[in-house]
Amino acid sequence: QSALTQPRSVSGSPGQSVTISCTGTSSDVGGYNSVSWFQQHPGKAPKLMIYGVSKRPSGVPDRFSGSKSGNTASLTISGLQAEDEADYYCCSYAGSYTLVFGGGTKLTVL
Amino acid sequence: QVQVVESGGGLVKPGGSLRLSCAASGFTFSDYYMTWIRQAPGKGLEWVSYIASSGYTNYPDSVKGRFTISRDNAKNSLYLQMNSLRAEDTAVYYCARIDVDTNMSKLDYWGQGTLVTVSS
Repeated sequence: QSALTQPRSVSGSPGQSVTISCTGTSSDVGGYNSVSWFQQHPGKAPKLMIYGVSKRPSGVPDRFSGSKSGNTASLTISGLQAEDEADYYCCSYAGSYTLVFGGGTKLTVL
Repeated sequence: QVQVVESGGGLVKPGGSLRLSCAASGFTFSDYYMTWIRQAPGKGLEWVSYIASSGYTNYPDSVKGRFTISRDNAKNSLYLQMNSLRAEDTAVYYCARIDVDTNMSKLDYWGQGTLVTVSS
């Protein structure tokens, strides 16, 4: 399984919105509504932010939203805050009880 | 509260074996799917194994035939037996709970991870 493609880095100023893309294929992102997004701060475990393309677990601010078009999923963070600075990973179900992750995107809040 | 806690990491020589454990609490362990995810130093996340509540398992090609995931529902524990270890298996290993009926999309609780270092 090939990793999903994410930009290495994105940045934005406090209060702005940023979008992180995650490109796969019809065998993973495009084939299932099973994309999730994780936030990881340095030295910490990943935290689930979005699952099922656009669903938010309880406790995740509604500033975080997810979407998908074709083979590309996106995570949008609106009203950027300093604590949003972290690494973000997308993940997709790829059939036959397998998962594939993206390479990760470093978000810098300027 | 839901918790998963990994243990068993350490330094092992290439070709050696190691068994990781993950102790679960705060939920009905037998009802949930579980997974192991790893992260090499400075690198991204990589899916390592999956086990359903039925005991069905699956692995990526990178570890298939070398790693075995198992569970003991009576002990609320998840395991990862790692054999024929290579330098490229060096990573922090996380166990995570998968909520059912989400097509493996909702990995909602993660442990703090345990470091495995493969080096001579």
